[in-house]
Amino acid sequence: QKEVEQNSGPLSVPEGAIASLNCTYSDRGSQSFFWYRQYSGKSPELIMSIYSNGDKEDGRFTAQLNKASQYVSLLIRDSQPSDSATYLCAVNIDTGRRALTFGSGTRLQVQP
Amino acid sequence: AAGVIQSPRHLIKEKRETATLKCYPIPRHDTVYWYQQGPGQDPQFLISFYEKMQSDKGSIPDRFSAQQFSDYHSELNMSSLELGDSALYFCASSSGSSGTEAFFGQGTRLTVV
Repeated sequence: QKEVEQNSGPLSVPEGAIASLNCTYSDRGSQSFFWYRQYSGKSPELIMSIYSNGDKEDGRFTAQLNKASQYVSLLIRDSQPSDSATYLCAVNIDTGRRALTFGSGTRLQVQP
Repeated sequence: AAGVIQSPRHLIKEKRETATLKCYPIPRHDTVYWYQQGPGQDPQFLISFYEKMQSDKGSIPDRFSAQQFSDYHSELNMSSLELGDSALYFCASSSGSSGTEAFFGQGTRLTVV
């Protein structure tokens, strides 16, 4: 079992819809959770970070964290074709270990 | 705002050659991470440095080595290159305690022929 798991997709949604991306992690001691967006051939771009249970909203993006279920999600409201990319979930697995562990990413396609 | 700078952006090497990739972190960031990303794969953690000391080690081959210098820039040295080393190599930097946000550079695309 991978330490950070994501559905590879592609997840296809129509323009204007809500896209829901999910991620589960194995280490119950994980404290920090991040969502990165990566366009093909480009570097990962940080879009959200979340550290405590509940929801965190930033513009069209909402990150949701449930530590009891070891689950973190990203909602994208009013999806746009420009949101089409691979979304990487990243987790700081061990307390004190600085490096992030990435999931394999979910490819999102927003259909015009 | 200043970002993470990597050089070179593209590099072509022959098998068994040596390559050196450079990374300049965001000013005042004290931690540097190196990741390798093959085609269609997620970034794989190689190694990281905090305050010029190695802090974590991931799936870095013995043929690779890295260090962080007094100005906090880092270099990844890759020897005896193999075709399978062809990938995007990303550097990221962060500051402060464990678990803070990491920002990525634009990457170096290494092609081994």
